[in-house]
Amino acid sequence: NAGVMQNPRHLVRRRGQEARLRCSPMKGHSHVYWYRQLPEEGLKFMVYLQKENIIDESGMPKERFSAEFPKEGPSILRIQQVVRGDSAAYFCASSPPGVAGFTDTQYFGPGTRLTVL
Amino acid sequence: GIQVEQSPPDLILQEGANSTLRCNFSDSVNNLQWFHQNPWGQLINLFYIPSGTKQNGRLSATTVATERYSLLYISSSQTTDSGVYFCAVFNQAGTALIFGKGTTLSVSS
Repeated sequence: NAGVMQNPRHLVRRRGQEARLRCSPMKGHSHVYWYRQLPEEGLKFMVYLQKENIIDESGMPKERFSAEFPKEGPSILRIQQVVRGDSAAYFCASSPPGVAGFTDTQYFGPGTRLTVL
Repeated sequence: GIQVEQSPPDLILQEGANSTLRCNFSDSVNNLQWFHQNPWGQLINLFYIPSGTKQNGRLSATTVATERYSLLYISSSQTTDSGVYFCAVFNQAGTALIFGKGTTLSVSS
């Protein structure tokens, strides 16, 4: 039973380029969460999605960041016009369907480490 | 929003020693998880423990929900236990995990 998959594992971009991070949840999981970890800090929530719906994006920066979880395929976190401050590890987590948040364990992927030059 | 505080921030142990990590949270919670982030950055689920006590090998955890704290016990520590231990709880809306800042554990042989 494969875990949460993220790719790429490492991504290098120059300032102004776009970064696309992909997340495939565990089999049977329909809830996806994105978190960001800045160097030497804990994880910060960014966005919570279910298939084709954004449920909570309160942690997303207002500009340049977007996320989607289409009916088919992985969830995508997209960062446009990256800046050096976007350098971080981006983690995706998934949980099974149900009353998310009250009974569900979140399982984390290995993360994508974004470096902006 | 809910605040999560972990202590101590850093812990240095000799192999074989025992340790207790603490997590305090500011409001009642329905979900609490402990994670280990290994030196390669991977987050590993240790426990889902909103209340009560669980054990898994040399690790055990206890959450006293009414007093708003959780403890993670590591017995007979090994060098492979090194890394950062995070406690996380769900926000009130149940849509996001709120992480503490972690306890960095270094175990030397």
